[in-house]
Amino acid sequence: AQSVTQLGSHVSVSEGALVLLRCNYSSSVPPYLFWYVQYPNQGLQLLLKYTTGATLVKGINGFEAEFKKSETSFHLTKPSAHMSDAAEYFCAVSVTGANSKLTFGKGITLSVRP
Amino acid sequence: DAGVIQSPRHEVTEMGQEVTLRCKPISGHDYLFWYRQTMMRGLELLIYFNNNVPIDDSGMPEDRFSAKMPNASFSTLKIQPSEPRDSAVYFCASSLAVWYNEQFFGPGTRLTVL
Repeated sequence: AQSVTQLGSHVSVSEGALVLLRCNYSSSVPPYLFWYVQYPNQGLQLLLKYTTGATLVKGINGFEAEFKKSETSFHLTKPSAHMSDAAEYFCAVSVTGANSKLTFGKGITLSVRP
Repeated sequence: DAGVIQSPRHEVTEMGQEVTLRCKPISGHDYLFWYRQTMMRGLELLIYFNNNVPIDDSGMPEDRFSAKMPNASFSTLKIQPSEPRDSAVYFCASSLAVWYNEQFFGPGTRLTVL
């Protein structure tokens, strides 16, 4: 079965600094990878996803992630953090099959300092 | 489309009472998912449906939990009897048939069992 590891529970950056949120996956078949964001008191919404093709994926709000098969990673980055980026971020993995089922990581909270 | 609709948004009840959470998925989506989110356990998939048929209920914690999807536009998650440890935010999500399509989450129902 596939799984996702997000190390740490909290990341704090200064406004304007680089954001790097790490995600490693485990899958015996080619994975499909997602990053979701959850703002306070809201449901999750998709930031970006990798299915096939280009390994560098761009998402909303200036975020991007790169699929690295050799490192089994899908880290999320943003060059310059904004106060509005403060939220919880979830990495998730899925594999091909008849049924859509995402496996989520435990999530990581991003704080942005003024 | 209005997105995934959940009701109620907040529910406070006493231990032993029956609780019913409701969800209206996005029209045309073939998959419906129920998740539970707590600080301790993170985001857990409880059950999901494909074309109104339950596919995987392995995440349902106990027999006290049940879910139904009588038609394509409505689903319920019922807890009977409720216990304080059921306190959590319950999310409903829906997606199109293709497994790699994103899941669209509702705003969640915050359940407090006293």
